[in-house]
Amino acid sequence: DSGVTQTPKHLITATGQRVTLRCSPRSGDLSVYWYQQSLDQGLQFLIQYYNGEERAKGNILERFSAQQFPDLHSELNLSSLELGDSALYFCASSVNLAGEDTQYFGPGTRLTVL
Amino acid sequence: AQSVTQPDIHITVSEGASLELRCNYSYGATPYLFWYVQSPGQGLQLLLKYFSGDTLVQGIKGFEAEFKRSQSSFNLRKPSVHWSDAAEYFCAVGAGGGSQGNLIFGKGTKLSVKP
Repeated sequence: DSGVTQTPKHLITATGQRVTLRCSPRSGDLSVYWYQQSLDQGLQFLIQYYNGEERAKGNILERFSAQQFPDLHSELNLSSLELGDSALYFCASSVNLAGEDTQYFGPGTRLTVL
Repeated sequence: AQSVTQPDIHITVSEGASLELRCNYSYGATPYLFWYVQSPGQGLQLLLKYFSGDTLVQGIKGFEAEFKRSQSSFNLRKPSVHWSDAAEYFCAVGAGGGSQGNLIFGKGTKLSVKP
């Protein structure tokens, strides 16, 4: 158990819909990262937050957005869903921003878009 | 741009045999390098990491990795594989120091273990 929790574990929805994925980081961790894992693209970084502020963006679509709340939990919002958005979405957390900080990964949310 | 290559998509080894998983990276400065393992239906677990010092790093579950700057490699090794090591292994490089610590992952190597 990494100490990072993600809800829900599984999500099945239809194209065009909007979903919200939730992540609670490890106690004391200020940085939260979101990654997408798909068969064709592999593991890709989406976005990073540190202490409530966006710090880095990766290959995140404009239909996707995220935020980190004062209690440090984070939400990833996916809208106008397409079949290709079906993937495993991971949240990770680390203590700070430093590149050598260990990122601890949650169990992921499996999103299926029908 | 930074990148990570894991040349082997799938490797099968016999239980008790030695293992080496290859990883090559492309990065301008001294990289932060990581190996993660993902068991079916699970999240990623850190095996080991390198960011400075001794180029041979020890990790959990009996794994080790060696950083070779001249070859831009960070290969993962284990002297004797156990059936429970069957999983997918990901090599990753930290995208940048300072305020940007996101990871760039290789495509992964799936390890199967024969009894």
